Amino acid sequence: AQSVSQHNHHVILSEAASLELGCNYSYGGTVNLFWYVQYPGQHLQLLLKYFSGDPLVKGIKGFEAEFIKSKFSFNLRKPSVQWSDTAEYFCAVNAVLGNEKLTFGTGTRLTIIP
Amino acid sequence: DGGITQSPKYLFRKEGQNVTLSCEQNLNHDAMYWYRQDPGQGLRLIYYSQIVNDFQKGDIAEGYSVSREKKESFPLTVTSAQKNPTAFYLCASGDFPTGELFFGEGSRLTVL
Repeated sequence: AQSVSQHNHHVILSEAASLELGCNYSYGGTVNLFWYVQYPGQHLQLLLKYFSGDPLVKGIKGFEAEFIKSKFSFNLRKPSVQWSDTAEYFCAVNAVLGNEKLTFGTGTRLTIIP
Repeated sequence: DGGITQSPKYLFRKEGQNVTLSCEQNLNHDAMYWYRQDPGQGLRLIYYSQIVNDFQKGDIAEGYSVSREKKESFPLTVTSAQKNPTAFYLCASGDFPTGELFFGEGSRLTVL
């Protein structure tokens, strides 16, 4: 079965700082990878996804993530964060040819200080 | 508007009572899911259904039950057997096998 680890539980940054949130997964086969975001008081929504092809994927609001297969990682990055990026971020993995379950990490709470 | 509707948004119940959370989708998705979200634990899968009249247990199914009589609907019952039912419950739907899910706004259940 697949599992996902997010080692940063709470990250606090000042506006304009660069962001990198870690995500590692364990599964030996082919995976689809996702980052979801939950803004305060809002529902969970897709930030970006990787299915195949270019391992550097770009999502909404200037976010990007890089899939490094050899490291089983899918870290989320943003060069310059804004106060409105304050939210909880979840990494998720789906095993292709698996049982179609999406497994989530424990989430990283991001607080941006103006 | 296409989307997923969960109701009620907030629910209070006494210990020992069963409660049913509603989830309806008009996205024409085959698959529907119920997750439970607790602080510091992320989202944990309770039950999922890939097709009408069929569903599978997720990682934390004990104390919960579901039905899938219609493609659009996937209600979750939190039974009195669930030892710690106070939580935020999220319903989602998606088109497998990509795994991409679309979520409702959630239902917060508090058991007094």
